[in-house]
Amino acid sequence: GAGVSQSPSNKVTEKGKDVELRCDPISGHTALYWYRQSLGQGLEFLIYFQGNSAPDKSGLPSDRFSAERTGGSVSTLTIQRTQQEDSAVYLCASSLQAGADQPQHFGDGTRLSIL
Amino acid sequence: GQSLEQPSEVTAVEGAIVQINCTYQTSGFYGLSWYQQHDGGAPTFLSYNALDGLEETGRFSSFLSRSDSYGYLLLQELQMKDSASYFCATPRGGYQKVTFGTGTKLQVIP
Repeated sequence: GAGVSQSPSNKVTEKGKDVELRCDPISGHTALYWYRQSLGQGLEFLIYFQGNSAPDKSGLPSDRFSAERTGGSVSTLTIQRTQQEDSAVYLCASSLQAGADQPQHFGDGTRLSIL
Repeated sequence: GQSLEQPSEVTAVEGAIVQINCTYQTSGFYGLSWYQQHDGGAPTFLSYNALDGLEETGRFSSFLSRSDSYGYLLLQELQMKDSASYFCATPRGGYQKVTFGTGTKLQVIP
């Protein structure tokens, strides 16, 4: 399809395990964003990429979180040693360029549940 | 930095007009965007205001006043399908780092 694709759509795992979330942005979009949304809450900014570069990683909640983007396309968000407070929906968005005037196109998210 | 404040919930009647407000604390401002998110769905872009004034797109309009650090989303001829959460968004700590408000849950009732 032509939209942003995220996988898996749902992930249930045990506390302490590592998880990897994937995002395929819209082709040609150079900017990619990761957000986290807890039930009934707003979107918490995690990190953005312009190309393969992540200029600002300050939104990542802890050093257990990391993200990378390769080939200016696919991005993965990795959470190591998961904790129950990591349970949330992780949303990915892409836009033509990074910036205030650029509409972001969101994927359907990965619903992560930590047991 | 940047903080965005919105009312948490708004209820309005089908066919009516509703205004959802967003106020922001500014230290460098690059414009205000609005997104809609239905329960269980992905946010979708509605509008962007860089300059003061009203932008109209069909039943939805968005307004910005930079001098008042304030904007709003106006929904006219409300339909049941407009029941959703609405988020304002603006960059914080740089032009590219777009962050979202806490969201307003709109319930449209018959």
